[in-house]
Amino acid sequence: SQTIHQWPATLVQPVGSPLSLECTVEGTSNPNLYWYRQAAGRGLQLLFYSVGIGQISSEVPQNLSASRPQDRQFILSSKKLLLSDSGFYLCACQTGGSGNTIYFGEGSWLTVV
Amino acid sequence: KQEVTQIPAALSVPEGENLVLNCSFTDSAIYNLQWFRQDPGKGLTSLLLIQSSQREQTSGRLNASLDKSSGRSTLYIAASQPGDSATYLCAADAGGTSYGKLTFGQGTILTVHP
Repeated sequence: SQTIHQWPATLVQPVGSPLSLECTVEGTSNPNLYWYRQAAGRGLQLLFYSVGIGQISSEVPQNLSASRPQDRQFILSSKKLLLSDSGFYLCACQTGGSGNTIYFGEGSWLTVV
Repeated sequence: KQEVTQIPAALSVPEGENLVLNCSFTDSAIYNLQWFRQDPGKGLTSLLLIQSSQREQTSGRLNASLDKSSGRSTLYIAASQPGDSATYLCAADAGGTSYGKLTFGQGTILTVHP
């Protein structure tokens, strides 16, 4: 079964600084990859999804961007962080086509100060 | 736009009780519905996935049912244990061109007392 690695696990960044969160997947190939954010009191929100290398779709307009340079690598970035970017960021993976179980990584806690 | 609601928001029960968590969704055109568990500060663990053509799925002490026509799913936990304490989330997958784009409920925080 697939394993999803996320890093860093925790980080504290000042407003206006850049961000890079990385997600890698093991044990599968050609997965669909997703970035979700869980903010206090707001539940889980889908930010980006990717069906292949270089293919990124954004779900909500925001201060973040995503890239998929390799089949099993998904990166979440920002050039200048805002306070509102604070939250728990989760990478998720789905293989075998639509309708299959989606697996989540352990998440990255981001606090913007 | 799909909306998912979970009731109750929090539940506290003594060990050994059987319990039911409820999930409702506004758009019945779902491809599947998934139940997840989240421990504090951790990622999500998939518990059960029910395809739209199925009525229920079972795994150990967990049983999830799906009624698409009424827009409801329930997660039944038998003989609850303190280790079951966590937040339980349900999520609807619209499938098709929206596959994998899960719409989550706010979760039910479950506490099982020894």
